[in-house]
Amino acid sequence: GENVEQHPSTLSVQEGDSAVIKCTYSDSASNYFPWYKQELGKRPQLIIDIRSNVGEKKDQRIAVTLNKTAKHFSLHITETQPEDSAVYFCAALDRGSTLGRLYFGRGTQLTVWP
Amino acid sequence: DAGVIQSPRHEVTEMGQEVTLRCKPISGHDYLFWYRQTMMRGLELLIYFNNNVPIDDSGMPEDRFSAKMPNASFSTLKIQPSEPRDSAVYFCASSSTGQTTGNTIYFGEGSWLTVV
Repeated sequence: GENVEQHPSTLSVQEGDSAVIKCTYSDSASNYFPWYKQELGKRPQLIIDIRSNVGEKKDQRIAVTLNKTAKHFSLHITETQPEDSAVYFCAALDRGSTLGRLYFGRGTQLTVWP
Repeated sequence: DAGVIQSPRHEVTEMGQEVTLRCKPISGHDYLFWYRQTMMRGLELLIYFNNNVPIDDSGMPEDRFSAKMPNASFSTLKIQPSEPRDSAVYFCASSSTGQTTGNTIYFGEGSWLTVV
């Protein structure tokens, strides 16, 4: 099955700085890569996703890039704000198996200091 | 829509007791997922259903865990007997066309289980 690795596990930035979280995946057949944000005590919620037919997608202050050759994708948050503090999860959809399941990374705890 | 609804939100039970977690997916969604979240193991997919039929239960940790979906609007995850290592947040989630097409998975608020 798919194996998704996520780095770093923790990230602290000053308000206004950028934050980058990186994920790698193992199965070249994977073709869908969502990012979820989970605030303390809350549910994970989708913030952005990308499919393998594009290299970059942007939504206001967040963007995701995908490098299919290297099998890695990244989340970029610009002009960070304290409310961006949360755990961020990357995931990959494994199309290599007939069952097609999402595999999550272990998460990155982002802290934005005012 | 009210979103994915889970109950109970919090449960504290004694080791050996039966625990039943309940989930109501978003109306019209045909895929339902049960995840478990712990600090040690992160987010794990336990089982998922398509049109009420279990598709992949390879994530169910052992025979003490069972899940059912008797109709399109209700699912249960049962642990019998419960053990302290089952303490975790259990999320139910649903989507309209499933992970295979990459559509958004919507999570419930979670059921926080503590087994003492």
